[in-house]
Amino acid sequence: GAVVSQHPSRVICKSGTSVKIECRSLDFQATTMFWYRQFPKQSLMLMATSNEGSKATYEQGVEKDKFLINHASLTLSTLTVASAHPEDSSFYICSASSGARSYEQYFGPGTRLTVT
Amino acid sequence: GENVEQHPSTLSVQEGDSAVIKCTYSDSASNYFPWYKQELGKGPQLIIDIRSNVGEKKDQRIAVTLNKTAKHFSLHITETQPEDSAVYFCAARYSGYSTLTFGKGTMLLVSP
Repeated sequence: GAVVSQHPSRVICKSGTSVKIECRSLDFQATTMFWYRQFPKQSLMLMATSNEGSKATYEQGVEKDKFLINHASLTLSTLTVASAHPEDSSFYICSASSGARSYEQYFGPGTRLTVT
Repeated sequence: GENVEQHPSTLSVQEGDSAVIKCTYSDSASNYFPWYKQELGKGPQLIIDIRSNVGEKKDQRIAVTLNKTAKHFSLHITETQPEDSAVYFCAARYSGYSTLTFGKGTMLLVSP
């Protein structure tokens, strides 16, 4: 099956610092990657969609200067939380789909970000 | 845009019983309906999906049914086991777009 990895799985950082989260598709080429944020006991909230080599499309209300997304290759996308604050603490999950199997969307294991 | 409603929000069953989770969608153009299982602290795992040209799909103890006319689809889990305990999300893909719209999730608890 399709496997998506994320790194790190957990990160604790101080307020004002930046944090980078990596998302990799391990056994398929991901033409499209998605970044979600999930609060406790809630559903997934789409933050942005990125296509390889193109600028990410952000959902309404998501600050693109705050959440920097790069999709430089068909197997790697990164999310950088710039100048993180405690309210950015959350569970961040990436997802990927390929052109060949574009109906299916596979999720990574998630990254727990805690900003102190 | 698409709107997906999911019921119930919580479901408790005894081991061996069946569990049914239902979702409705608003956009008749939606053509892909996946179900995800999310365990605590983990990412969602795709467990089964169905496309709009099919009415039912089975995979061992899991089945999904789709009623396009009524715009609803359901997840059926038979012979439930404690390891089935998790949050289940339904989703629909709005035809012509690449993003999924998710339901709010159902917490399934299977008691031994």
